[in-house]
Amino acid sequence: GAVVSQHPSWVICKSGTSVKIECRSLDFQATTMFWYRQFPKQSLMLMATSNEGSKATYEQGVEKDKFLINHASLTLSTLTVTSAHPEDSSFYICSALSEEKLFFGSGTQLSVL
Amino acid sequence: RKEVEQDPGPFNVPEGATVAFNCTYSNSASQSFFWYRQDCRKEPKLLMSVYSSGNEDGRFTAQLNRASQYISLLIRDSKLSDSATYLCVVNKGGRRALTFGSGTRLQVQP
Repeated sequence: GAVVSQHPSWVICKSGTSVKIECRSLDFQATTMFWYRQFPKQSLMLMATSNEGSKATYEQGVEKDKFLINHASLTLSTLTVTSAHPEDSSFYICSALSEEKLFFGSGTQLSVL
Repeated sequence: RKEVEQDPGPFNVPEGATVAFNCTYSNSASQSFFWYRQDCRKEPKLLMSVYSSGNEDGRFTAQLNRASQYISLLIRDSKLSDSATYLCVVNKGGRRALTFGSGTRLQVQP
């Protein structure tokens, strides 16, 4: 199947700093990528849909100024958590469509101290 | 009401057992359905798509009941390696963003 690379796998940062997470489609072009967040023992919640060359579409309740998404090329989307706080600690995971199937990056565990 | 609902479990079963999970969805316009498997702190991986006619892949059988708006997953001859969380996933179409259930945890015991 298609390969989606996400890094870093985990990051620990101080409150108030910004963290950038990268998501790359390695062997296919992804015009659309999705960013999910998962808290412990909960389901994956869609945060935003990232569209190459245009603005991302955010789900209700997700602050666009806090979670900056850039999809500058067909193989790369980035999510920047700005001014992170402890409540932003979560598992962030990206995904992309290839041939009608959704493939996931390996996820990023963010811990904000 | 959640868009996709699953029994969180855990389902604790012995090796070799047959176990079934159900999942209900609220949007009757949902177009496609999947079961994903997620191991702890790992990304979800597609287990199988679910078709109206029902489909089977080895020890796994998935079925869709559109009238009652539920899908099911049956696992026969459970293996220790089947221990994971099984996510029911629904695609409403359009933007093709998937909606995930909260998952059902399966623990297969020796």
